[in-house]
Amino acid sequence: GQNIDQPTEMTATEGAIVQINCTYQTSGFNGLFWYQQHAGEAPTFLSYNVLDGLEEKGRFSSFLSRSKGYSYLLLKELQMKDSASYLCAVPLSGGYNKLIFGAGTRLAVHP
Amino acid sequence: GAGVSQSPSNKVTEKGKDVELRCDPISGHTALYWYRQRLGQGLEFLIYFQGNSAPDKSGLPSDRFSAERTGESVSTLTIQRTQQEDSAVYLCASSLGKNQPQHFGDGTRLSIL
Repeated sequence: GQNIDQPTEMTATEGAIVQINCTYQTSGFNGLFWYQQHAGEAPTFLSYNVLDGLEEKGRFSSFLSRSKGYSYLLLKELQMKDSASYLCAVPLSGGYNKLIFGAGTRLAVHP
Repeated sequence: GAGVSQSPSNKVTEKGKDVELRCDPISGHTALYWYRQRLGQGLEFLIYFQGNSAPDKSGLPSDRFSAERTGESVSTLTIQRTQQEDSAVYLCASSLGKNQPQHFGDGTRLSIL
């Protein structure tokens, strides 16, 4: 089967760095997505990793290790507006576009 | 419009009624998806359309749920004989295709009384 695990909640201080981890189990691998979802809003795409390593995109970076079934999202120079849920998702086996989502990590940034 | 558009934004109805939710994808996106998100939970895949291929309905929770899409345009998700457990936000997304980012609409918040 397929399974995704993320921490339920995290807190961090404005200006700091936070790392949100995601572990996954899939019968095949077709990449991993990270989405951001503010309360009451639609998820928005952050990153897509298909090869091992770190992909940097401004204040946000995403890392993937396929051998370990592990990814993390790194947020630098945290701002209050970064308070949101962060969703890790992988395509379902046999269906490249059917995503299975983790329950999400609720990040609270405080002054 | 520039993004995925869903209507209505909110729907309150009585148990046992039928509801129809609409999704207008981004122009040119061949793939369209429906998800359900219960309060405090992750997104649950419902159904996927890709071009003119037969839709993947493997995520539909019961035969009360159905969806249609005409070509690469608007899709409707229909829930018949609604139950209180159907209360959730129903999200639609579209993408250019395989392994492309999915762009989500703002969702329809469905409340069954």
